[in-house]
Amino acid sequence: EAQVTQNPRYLITVTGKKLTVTCSQNMNHEYMSWYRQDPGLGLRQIYYSMNVEVTDKGDVPEGYKVSRKEKRNFPLILESPSPNQTSLYFCASSPRPRGTDTQYFGPGTRLTVL
Amino acid sequence: ELKVEQNPLFLSMQEGKNYTIYCNYSTTSDRLYWYRQDPGKSLESLFVLLSNGAVKQEGRLMASLDTKARLSTLHITAAVHDLSATYFCAVDGHIKHDFYNTDKLIFGTGTRLQVFP
Repeated sequence: EAQVTQNPRYLITVTGKKLTVTCSQNMNHEYMSWYRQDPGLGLRQIYYSMNVEVTDKGDVPEGYKVSRKEKRNFPLILESPSPNQTSLYFCASSPRPRGTDTQYFGPGTRLTVL
Repeated sequence: ELKVEQNPLFLSMQEGKNYTIYCNYSTTSDRLYWYRQDPGKSLESLFVLLSNGAVKQEGRLMASLDTKARLSTLHITAAVHDLSATYFCAVDGHIKHDFYNTDKLIFGTGTRLQVFP
């Protein structure tokens, strides 16, 4: 089944404790992206990647890191999480960066930073 | 900077009624997307509108795009409870880099729709 998976789905952590949220897609998509969703703000892009080893900042990259060493995986790293990073995070992928491509979203990761 | 505004933000409507959700965006874009999100769930693609005047329909939902007015509408016909969800529009924000171009989606804040009997 074609899908985008994220792990973990729920995470409660404490300030400063490094964490990684994994994202994997099995559709051979070139483009992958991370978003955070906060009430009243919609979805905001954190980072995106056009292909392996090609990543760039989105609208709200501060406090986050990403890597794209393999086409299928795009982990989101919080080196020192803070309470303002409490949010719902979505990973998404699409076949190409342009064109008629719709983005396919993962199930989401709800992160709470105490 | 590309901004996307939706209204209304909340919509409570009775079953059987019609209503329209509006999506305005601030700069030129030739692609607009509509997504649906059920409570606690991920986003599901509804429509991709690719050109001025584009209209797409699926069931009780119809989306249209006017690129000159920078406006898209999502029209709900004879609403049913199953349509209760949050609806997002998103616009392509084209990015030009030195050696490549890409796009990112700029999302509206969403319209939370509740349909009651």
